[in-house]
Amino acid sequence: DSGVTQTPKHLITATGQRVTLRCSPRSGDLSVYWYQQSLDQGLQFLIQYYNGEERAKGNILERFSAQQFPDLHSELNLSSLELGDSALYFCASSTQSSDTQYFGPGTRLTVL
Amino acid sequence: AQSVTQPDIHITVSEGASLELRCNYSYGATPYLFWYVQSPGQGLQLLLKYFSGDTLVQGIKGFEAEFKRSQSSFNLRKPSVHWSDAAEYFCAVGASGGSYIPTFGRGTSLIVHP
Repeated sequence: DSGVTQTPKHLITATGQRVTLRCSPRSGDLSVYWYQQSLDQGLQFLIQYYNGEERAKGNILERFSAQQFPDLHSELNLSSLELGDSALYFCASSTQSSDTQYFGPGTRLTVL
Repeated sequence: AQSVTQPDIHITVSEGASLELRCNYSYGATPYLFWYVQSPGQGLQLLLKYFSGDTLVQGIKGFEAEFKRSQSSFNLRKPSVHWSDAAEYFCAVGASGGSYIPTFGRGTSLIVHP
C-alpha cells in the first residue's frame, strides 16, 4: 500500500459526459501528479501540482483540468468524454518535486 | 527531450532462472533513472532508482540495476526469479537538470513459467 488513495476504482460513462477523479496523496506529500495509461499511448504524464499550484504540464488535453485543494487532495476533471479517453488514470505523490513518486491504485475509466 | 526504450515487449523465464530486462535512455546530461513494477490491477511500485554515485543500485524484492553511461543503459537484473515476479516492468528517466517528471518506457511484460 503506497498510501495514495484514488476514488472511484472504476467509472463507466458515456461519450460527451463529464467525470471527476479524486486523489488523496500520502500524508505530508505536497506534490501530486496525474498520469494516463492506455494501451496505445503507454503511461503519459498529464499534470503536476505542488502545494496547490500548478507546477508542470504534460500531454493534457484542453478538455481535461485539475486542481489541488488546501487539504492537498487533488481532482482531475475530464469533460466532453470521447471513446479514446478510456484508460487507467493514476495519481502519484511525492514530498518534493525531486523526490520519488508513489503511485495510487488508479481509476479505470470506460467511455461507452 | 528525454526518452526511454524498452526493447522487449514480453520476456518469458522459468522460475529460478536469472532475469535481465533492458532499458535504454536518451538524455543529454546525467539522468535520474527508475524501475517500477506494476502487478495486474495495481498501481506502479518503485523497485529502485539511480540519482548519482555507485552505478550498481540495489532495490527491493532482490532486484538490482546497473547504470552504464557509455551504453545509455539501465538494465534491471535478478539472479533467481520467483513466480510472484510476473508483472509489467517500467523503466523511466527523469531530467536531473530541470523538471523531475519521469518519462516512462512502454514496459516489458514478464511471464514466469513454473
